[in-house]
Amino acid sequence: EVQLVESGGGLVQPGGSLRLSCAASGFTFSSYEMNWVRQAPGKGLEWVSYISSSGSTIYYADSVKGRFTISRDNAKNSLYLQMNSLRAEDTAVYYCARDDRMGVWGQGTLVTVSS
Amino acid sequence: QSVLTQPPSASGTPGQRVTISCSGSSSNIGSNYVYWYQQLPGTAPKLLIYRNNQRPSGVPDRFSGSKSGTSASLAISGLRSEDEADYYCAAWDDSLSVRWVFGGGTKLTVL
Repeated sequence: EVQLVESGGGLVQPGGSLRLSCAASGFTFSSYEMNWVRQAPGKGLEWVSYISSSGSTIYYADSVKGRFTISRDNAKNSLYLQMNSLRAEDTAVYYCARDDRMGVWGQGTLVTVSS
Repeated sequence: QSVLTQPPSASGTPGQRVTISCSGSSSNIGSNYVYWYQQLPGTAPKLLIYRNNQRPSGVPDRFSGSKSGTSASLAISGLRSEDEADYYCAAWDDSLSVRWVFGGGTKLTVL
């Protein structure tokens, strides 16, 4: 079964850091480009970051550029999002999603930035 | 402010046909495929339509998509109570260092 499972969310103070992980299974992870997408409480979907299959091409939304870093470990079938200098407006459910059609999503992990 | 524009709400009665619009620009919808997602409360988005009008296996043919120029539409015929959900359009964007853009979402209510 094709599956993505996020982890690493939680409560963090403003200015703090958090690292999200996304474990992939059921498909050849190294062949697929990947994304992080977030959804603030009661709000719509917002694309956050993209990484190519090899990791050589990376894009970020302006709202997170310079603060978030996407990476992947194809040997571990895992995708990561390092989030630094967190702000209250970063509070959201964070999803990892496979890039082809955005047809495969994880269940999401909640990040709450609050003092 | 989302890059793609959708109406915030739509409604219909069981059996009716409803359409949800999605408006973009030449850098996204005008030059790339459109995708549609359904999100039920508390769950992850689910792919409904890809490449403008293609349905993944398992998606009923009551759902259909179309695109013209810089706009797209999702149509749902034979509306059912279980179709009550949020619907999002999305597309690649050719702007520098941007991959995906989303619409703000449309809340569909089945009356």
